[in-house]
Amino acid sequence: DAMVIQNPRYQVTQFGKPVTLSCSQTLNHNVMYWYQQKSSQAPKLLFHYYDKDFNNEADTPDNFQSRRPNTSFCFLDIRSPGLGDAAMYLCATSRAQRGGPDTQYFGPGTRLTVL
Amino acid sequence: GNSVTQMEGPVTLSEEAFLTINCTYTATGYPSLFWYVQYPGEGLQLLLKATKADDKGSNKGFEATYRKETTSFHLEKGSVQVSDSAVYFCALHQNTDKLIFGTGTRLQVFP
Repeated sequence: DAMVIQNPRYQVTQFGKPVTLSCSQTLNHNVMYWYQQKSSQAPKLLFHYYDKDFNNEADTPDNFQSRRPNTSFCFLDIRSPGLGDAAMYLCATSRAQRGGPDTQYFGPGTRLTVL
Repeated sequence: GNSVTQMEGPVTLSEEAFLTINCTYTATGYPSLFWYVQYPGEGLQLLLKATKADDKGSNKGFEATYRKETTSFHLEKGSVQVSDSAVYFCALHQNTDKLIFGTGTRLQVFP
């Protein structure tokens, strides 16, 4: 089945120690998103790639970076995690054209714990 | 700007009760509307969607009708089960690559 895969499902890191979360997709979608979701809140968009074009949200901290080496993979790098970065990180994909809405499909998420 | 407003939870029901979760939106033009469901510890799953006025999305016994005159997309189910316990997010998408989410409504169904 075509799907969005996130690894690992659970990640524990230490305060200030860089961490990378990964997302892959078999849907061949051209748009990939990273969201941060804290407890009892809606997902908050951090950034997204439209093909190779990176689109950062204005309020995303510089501590968060992303890489998309090819269509199938996208990575979220947190350079110096703080306690406030503990959250569920969700990857999503969509097939979109400029100006045309399309459905986003989400992965199962990676729950990040910062000690 | 575009926004989505959902009824606050938790919504607590007994099994087989009727469910309504209200969702209203603010947008110019004609957004697409979605309901996503999030089970404990999981990511979001698309539950249903509607892309134009008067469309009805349906899946797994859930339904929602795109009402442009009332700018609403209320989620309904005739008979809920314990397994429906989850958080439900209403969302819209219009002319950008972004989803606008509501705050989510937690549903708790008891036997």
